[in-house]
Amino acid sequence: ETGVTQTPRHLVMGMTNKKSLKCEQHLGHNAMYWYKQSAKKPLELMFVYNFKEQTENNSVPSRFSPECPNSSHLFLHLHTLQPEDSALYLCASSQDSWATNEKLFFGSGTQLSVL
Amino acid sequence: GENVEQHPSTLSVQEGDSAVIKCTYSDSASNYFPWYKQELGKRPQLIIDIRSNVGEKKDQRIAVTLNKTAKHFSLHITETQPEDSAVYFCAAPLSYQLTFGKGTKLSVIP
Repeated sequence: ETGVTQTPRHLVMGMTNKKSLKCEQHLGHNAMYWYKQSAKKPLELMFVYNFKEQTENNSVPSRFSPECPNSSHLFLHLHTLQPEDSALYLCASSQDSWATNEKLFFGSGTQLSVL
Repeated sequence: GENVEQHPSTLSVQEGDSAVIKCTYSDSASNYFPWYKQELGKRPQLIIDIRSNVGEKKDQRIAVTLNKTAKHFSLHITETQPEDSAVYFCAAPLSYQLTFGKGTKLSVIP
């Protein structure tokens, strides 16, 4: 069940805090992703990493900073967030380097609340 | 702009009835159309997908149909059961990114 593991499951932070979200995949995949899921909105792609190299940054504000030290681990560093950044942040992975026609495996997400 | 439109946003059916969810996409070059199911408090999971070289694909009670000319595809669930209650997302590749619809909340009433 836990091919993609995310921690923490829940996070409450103030606007001046710095925190990090962690994702780990045990599937041997080469690509990893961060998605944002807000109420009544589509899943929004934030970042894509292929073989540890960032290949997509969907005009995400600089207060979100991704890090991919190896193909199995992905981080999302957060600082000076805004209340509108409150959402479920989902990590995903796929076998090969481009997810337009690959099955995505999602983690359970981190429910983030910014106060 | 390029997007994926999904309808309806909510759908309630009686247990045993069928449910149909439709999506339209804008990029005629799109060639892969997955459907994800997300139960309350859980992760999205792929339930079925179809590629542009086929018009229909079935997996037990679930089927997906694709009309490339009209640029739309649909999810069909037959003999619905309470455990089918979830949010369903369609997706299509647009501008080299997998773009998701807004989701359909399906409620199956026992």
